Amino acid sequence: QQKVQQSPESLIVPEGGMASLNCTSSDRNVDYFWWYRQHSGKSPKMLMSIFSNGEKEEGRFTVHLNKASLHTSLHIRDSQPSDSALYLCAASSVSGSFNKLTFGAGTRLAVCP
Amino acid sequence: DPKIIQKPKYLVAVTGSEKILICEQYLGHNAMYWYRQSAKKPLEFMFSYSYQKLMDNQTASSRFQPQSSKKNHLDLQITALKPDDSATYFCASSQQENTEVFFGKGTRLTVV
Repeated sequence: QQKVQQSPESLIVPEGGMASLNCTSSDRNVDYFWWYRQHSGKSPKMLMSIFSNGEKEEGRFTVHLNKASLHTSLHIRDSQPSDSALYLCAASSVSGSFNKLTFGAGTRLAVCP
Repeated sequence: DPKIIQKPKYLVAVTGSEKILICEQYLGHNAMYWYRQSAKKPLEFMFSYSYQKLMDNQTASSRFQPQSSKKNHLDLQITALKPDDSATYFCASSQQENTEVFFGKGTRLTVV
């Protein structure tokens, strides 16, 4: 059973549009959430991380976290074709295995010009 | 200029053979990891090392053996290879626990 669920599996947005990606953990021990982006054939690179309830913004990217529901979401405004990639959500726990990241299956985003 | 170097980039192996995947990091990090990604499964944690000490092993099989000869070096030996082992193996590192994990470019292994 996948402990980190991401939705939707795939998403198409027009250039300049808003992309919203969701992620929920079923592990009550999760403390941290991480968002990674992986372009085709490349390695994952961290976009943003969030540890506290609320919202965090960095440029065109905003991440929300609701710790009570263990739900996080990533929003990309003014989406660009270069944002087309696999977006991976990962969760980790302070009390769990040493810095083990548990990844979801990802959301594949396509931004169409 | 890659700071986590994985060799080789591509690897084709015969079923039953043994291979070693090489990883060196030049980020000055104290912790190193191996992850695996295949078409069938999401990116999956395999091992974590901190100061050359094995911290966690999440692989069910003893065919996978990490080897750390130096603090910035973590190889992965895989024996008795099976077609199911075909995947991209990513080496990763972080400064310490609960900090950003950086990934190498990966070694794509195909077992025929």
